[in-house]
Amino acid sequence: GQSLEQPSEVTAVEGAIVQINCTYQTSGFYGLSWYQQHDGGAPTFLSYNALDGLEETGRFSSFLSRSDSYGYLLLQELQMKDSASYFCAVGSNTGKLIFGQGTTLQVKP
Amino acid sequence: ETGVTQSPTHLIKTRGQQVTLRCSSQSGHNTVSWYQQALGQGPQFIFQYYREEENGRGNFPPRFSGLQFPNYSSELNVNALELDDSALYLCASSSTTGVGNEQFFGPGTRLTVL
Repeated sequence: GQSLEQPSEVTAVEGAIVQINCTYQTSGFYGLSWYQQHDGGAPTFLSYNALDGLEETGRFSSFLSRSDSYGYLLLQELQMKDSASYFCAVGSNTGKLIFGQGTTLQVKP
Repeated sequence: ETGVTQSPTHLIKTRGQQVTLRCSSQSGHNTVSWYQQALGQGPQFIFQYYREEENGRGNFPPRFSGLQFPNYSSELNVNALELDDSALYLCASSSTTGVGNEQFFGPGTRLTVL
C-alpha cells in the first residue's frame, strides 16, 4: 500500500523559517508534490520533486531524498497569509495522487 | 483562462438518496480526477478520467461512478448515500495523465448526508 506521514500541526512566527517533513511508503514512486489549502479553499499546487535535491520557488523550497523516502517543504520569511494546511502527495503511474493527512501551519505575529 | 468550476457549492441529501456532482475542467485540460476530503483529512483519490475513459480508481465502492464528456467536463455520481459520504468533493484537472503535472483543483462541493 501507500502511506505518507507528516506532522499534524506546526506553529511559527512571522518572518521565521519553517520546515514541514514528509515520509512516505509507496510501491512505484512517481514524485512528491506539495499542495497548500486555506480553510474552505481549494488545494493549490506548490512544488514537485521527481529527483533528489532541492527545488526553489520564491519563498518556498522543496527537498526530496528518494533513498530515505523523505521530503520536506521549507517556507521562508513567513507571512500571516501562509497560515494554511500543507499536504505532501505521492504520485502513481496512473496519475492519481495519494495525499498525506496534512500539516496545519499557524503563523503568529 | 477559465479555472476549474464545480457545482453545486453545497448539497444536503438524506441516506439512501443519489447525488450528481459536476465539474468543468480548466481550458485545455483533458484529464479530470475526483477526490473526497473528510474534515481534517487529506483528499482521497476516487478516480480519474482521461479522454472520457476511467484511468485509475481508488479504494471506493462501485456506488461511486463517474463520467467524462467530450468537452472534458465530468460528473461524479454517488448512489445509496451513507452518512460517511459527508465530505468535500474536489475535482482537479490537468493537461495529461502524467503524475508530475500540476493538478488544478476546483473549489469543491460540500455534501452533507443526513
